Amino acid sequence: GNSVTQMEGPVTLSEEAFLTINCTYTATGYPSLFWYVQYPGEGLQLLLKATKADDKGSNKGFEATYRKETTSFHLEKGSVQVSDSAVYFCALMYPGTALIFGKGTTLSVSS
Amino acid sequence: DAGVTQSPTHLIKTRGQQVTLRCSPKSGHDTVSWYQQALGQGPQFIFQYYEEEERQRGNFPDRFSGHQFPNYSSELNVNALLLGDSALYLCASSLVGQGGTEAFFGQGTRLTVV
Repeated sequence: GNSVTQMEGPVTLSEEAFLTINCTYTATGYPSLFWYVQYPGEGLQLLLKATKADDKGSNKGFEATYRKETTSFHLEKGSVQVSDSAVYFCALMYPGTALIFGKGTTLSVSS
Repeated sequence: DAGVTQSPTHLIKTRGQQVTLRCSPKSGHDTVSWYQQALGQGPQFIFQYYEEEERQRGNFPDRFSGHQFPNYSSELNVNALLLGDSALYLCASSLVGQGGTEAFFGQGTRLTVV
């Protein structure tokens, strides 16, 4: 079945470091891919998305590219801030169906 | 523009009791999905409602049921609560007419079963 696998955390970085969180998926066809962020005690916020192969989603300095050949959607940011500390979820979805999430990766950024 | 709102934010129930959680979708959205997020895990899909009908269902027992009202708001009901039902319950809304490719989440309801 369809699934999403994320790198296990926690990821601990110093402020201004480069961030990569790996995400790979198993699915047929071309699902849409998403990154959601969850701050402590809150629900999920959509961070970015890509709906077709080679699309790059970007938002707030984060970006991820839909790679069909490697079935990946890795999240990157060039310079993280303390305020980026949160749990990040990679997900896939076919139009009109449910989101399928990875287990989440906790990011902790220290000043 | 109000986003997705859920109520209550927290509640504590005893094993065997029943609970009802509520969700109002983002303005203009017609589809509501419910997810269960256990501590330290990603959200798991429970079911989705569109046009007051359950359109899809995840791998959850019949103790989990729902309803969608004509104004698109929704309820999640859980009967015969188990300790393992303790989780954050998230509601997400989307618009079928846009292919449902973007879901907006509420803050969630934290359910604790004791």
